[in-house]
Order: sequence, then structure tokens, then C-alpha cells
Amino acid sequence: DIQMTQSPSSLSASVGDRVTITCQASQDITNYLNWYQQKPGKAPKLLIYDASNLETGVPSRFSGSGSGTDFTFTISSLQPEDIATYYCQQYDNLPRFGPGTKVDIK
Amino acid sequence: QVQLVESGGGVVQPGRSLRLSCAPSGFTFSSYGMHWVRQAPGKGLEWVAVIWYDGSNKQYADSVKGRFTISRDNSKNTLFLQMNSLRAEDTAVYYCARDPRIAAPGLFDFWGQGTLVTVSS
Repeated sequence: DIQMTQSPSSLSASVGDRVTITCQASQDITNYLNWYQQKPGKAPKLLIYDASNLETGVPSRFSGSGSGTDFTFTISSLQPEDIATYYCQQYDNLPRFGPGTKVDIK
Repeated sequence: QVQLVESGGGVVQPGRSLRLSCAPSGFTFSSYGMHWVRQAPGKGLEWVAVIWYDGSNKQYADSVKGRFTISRDNSKNTLFLQMNSLRAEDTAVYYCARDPRIAAPGLFDFWGQGTLVTVSS
């Protein structure tokens, strides 16, 4: 099974800050990596697919990069509405999510 | 617009069964693979099962294999999850999710609002 790790598990940043989350796969998953945002009490929402492609309608302050085993998710300028938990998810084999990163406003 | 509405959740005793449903709208259901994903209270996301657009292929997480069955009725536009031999650790919000890709490898572009299953005596 492919294991996914994310860091940090939580972070607190100021409005306007650049926020970076990393995700690591236990083996090469090429670019089969998606990122989701989940706000409290809500269903997850797809933000980035295939490591770096922005889903339609998602603000351009969100971006993703990486390939192989190491991936990065970035919010270029944190906004109050970005408070959420962010999950990476691989689909090289059966889908598996990372443990999540909770993002708060400082 | 695309909508997915789950139903069938509730409180059930360990060892009993429950069937969840997911009603899609706003797209051609028979053209898409569909997944179930769950989230235990306060925990992360766990993929549960997938079914291809025509029902010809199904796959399951090890944690539910042999106990859960995913199925679909394209004529009635409905996705199902039959859950048997339920355990306390199956307690979770269950989401259905659409996959826009052939062979439904695991790209969840639309999600339902979820239905809560509580397994407790």
C-alpha cells in the first residue's frame, strides 16, 4: 500500500501570508496526486488535480507542484475564507488520502 | 448543476446491516464512475469503494472488503452501498463522490453532503 504523509499537521498564519504544505508518498506516484479543501461541517472540495492543475473555478492563489514522491501545495496569499483542512490524495493505486493539514488564521 | 444527495444513514447495532443511497442530478450518471468515501468523527478521509460507470468493475478498501458492496442502478439513477456486519469503527460520515475519468481511478470532482452512520449498541 502507498502511504501518504503531510506536513505540517497544522499551521497558523496571517492574512496575506504565503502558506506551503508538503505531501510525500511512500513510493513513486508520478503526478497522480490531488488536493482537497474541507471546511468544518462541509464536504471536501477539489482544488488541484494531477499535482499541478487548478480545478475550474478555484482561485488562482492556490497552486500545486511536484512529481514522483514529493509534492507541494501553496496558497500565495492566505485569505480568511481559506480556513480549512487540506488533504492530499494519491490515485496511483487504490485512492488514499494524507492525514490532512489544518490551516488557521493567526 | 451537479448534485449528489446521500441518504440511509442512522444508528445501527454492531453486526447489523444498513444500505446507503446516493441520488445524482445535473449530469449523465451512467457515464461516470462513482466512489464512496468516509470520515470518522474528528478524523481524516478514507476511501471505501469504487464502481465503474457501467458497474463492470468494483474495488474496495481492505477495511470493508467482504462486508460492504457497492452497486448502481443506472436506470434509476442511484448509487448504493450495502453495509453488512457493521462494526463500531465503521461509524463515520459517508460521502458519495463522482469520478470524471475513465476507469474511475480516484479523482473526486463532486461530492455529496454526506450521511452519518453510527454503529453503537
